[in-house]
Amino acid sequence: DVKVTQSSRYLVKRTGEKVFLECVQDMDHENMFWYRQDPGLGLRLIYFSYDVKMKEKGDIPEGYSVSREKKERFSLILESASTNQTSMYLCASTLSGTGTYEQYFGPGTRLTVT
Amino acid sequence: AQKVTQAQTEISVVEKEDVTLDCVYETRDTTYYLFWYKQPPSGELVFLIRRNSFDEQNEISGRYSWNFQKSTSSFNFTITASQVVDSAVYFCALSEAYRSAEKLVFGKGMKLTVNP
Repeated sequence: DVKVTQSSRYLVKRTGEKVFLECVQDMDHENMFWYRQDPGLGLRLIYFSYDVKMKEKGDIPEGYSVSREKKERFSLILESASTNQTSMYLCASTLSGTGTYEQYFGPGTRLTVT
Repeated sequence: AQKVTQAQTEISVVEKEDVTLDCVYETRDTTYYLFWYKQPPSGELVFLIRRNSFDEQNEISGRYSWNFQKSTSSFNFTITASQVVDSAVYFCALSEAYRSAEKLVFGKGMKLTVNP
């Protein structure tokens, strides 16, 4: 089974702190994604990566950065956390190829910024 | 731009009722993929089905069935004889190919509550 793990289920941080959210997948997937989920807004793509050291902005990249130094790990960084970044963060991964494959999701990290 | 609309935001039914979740999409691509995901209270999204744009056959998997109609740009999901365990948020999504990464555009989700 594909396994996508996220470093924390719940996280509480203070405004202005630098926050790291880690995601690891164990199925050698090329593509990895970070989403945030807010009530009434569904899932919105923050950043994605299609290869090591490659990244692309999603729909809402402002206030975030990412890092992918190894194929299995994709990190989301909040350089200076703000209260409007309080949200559920979901990581996903998928194969790359001629078709479009389903994304496998981690359990999510519920981040609260106070 | 690609777009997925789930007009219903929340539905509540009694166990054993049938329920249909609507999904309408917009795309200019001729080749695309549609997905349904389930998010139970535990939070992890679970993949349910993928359908490509060239396959309009309806699909049935146990109590779940999907109706794909290109003419109306819809990909509806029906749960027959609903159960309490079906309570979850359901997302419809559409693929968007970008380089070698397949981005998904999600609808806003529909919360289904099945009451005993």
